[in-house]
Amino acid sequence: DTGVSQDPRHKITKRGQNVTFRCDPISEHNRLYWYRQTLGQGPEFLTYFQNEAQLEKSRLLSDRFSAERPKGSFSTLEIQRTEQGDSAMYLCASSRASGSGTDTQYFGPGTRLTVL
Amino acid sequence: AQTVTQSQPEMSVQEAETVTLSCTYDTSESDYYLFWYKQPPSRQMILVIRQEAYKQQNATENRFSVNFQKAAKSFSLKISDSQLGDAAMYFCAYAYSGGGADGLTFGKGTHLIIQP
Repeated sequence: DTGVSQDPRHKITKRGQNVTFRCDPISEHNRLYWYRQTLGQGPEFLTYFQNEAQLEKSRLLSDRFSAERPKGSFSTLEIQRTEQGDSAMYLCASSRASGSGTDTQYFGPGTRLTVL
Repeated sequence: AQTVTQSQPEMSVQEAETVTLSCTYDTSESDYYLFWYKQPPSRQMILVIRQEAYKQQNATENRFSVNFQKAAKSFSLKISDSQLGDAAMYFCAYAYSGGGADGLTFGKGTHLIIQP
């Protein structure tokens, strides 16, 4: 296993710009999650995919956020018209559906977004 | 909605000593999973230990063990023989095991300092 990877690791952008992050899960994992972590807080769930289907979205995921997972492999998270409040660490995690309900999620290193 | 509370923002322990991190949670469900994740400075989150709510036996992983009190909704982490490499943010997390794959609900974390 090469682990979950995320790109870029850091992104600095100006308010109003669009940004896109990529997550590559562990190869045999069919579930993929996005979280947001602000300073001093625990991660907060944003959205979840099983294969290519987006099955759950948090109320935190405003209309400016969109996530995709074409072909059920890597995923992208796009933020349109960024705001300073979007500054955070964006974490991706993946897991393998075991049929027993809840699987252990393995996290990537995160993408740190700074909106100026 | 589920909530996870970590009441200790910071804990300090001498190297080789034992420390216990507290976590309480609130849920109306009976089947769920609890996790402790470790997030070292500028490094990715890794799983420390996991507990299935239906199991009465407390989970153990080498120097790490939990005290799971289902009725009290308490899930503390004990680290024995603390090592410098244990220094990190520790997050308690909850996941419902209702057949789907809900995102994790995290506490705010406890910053663990290891004194040499």
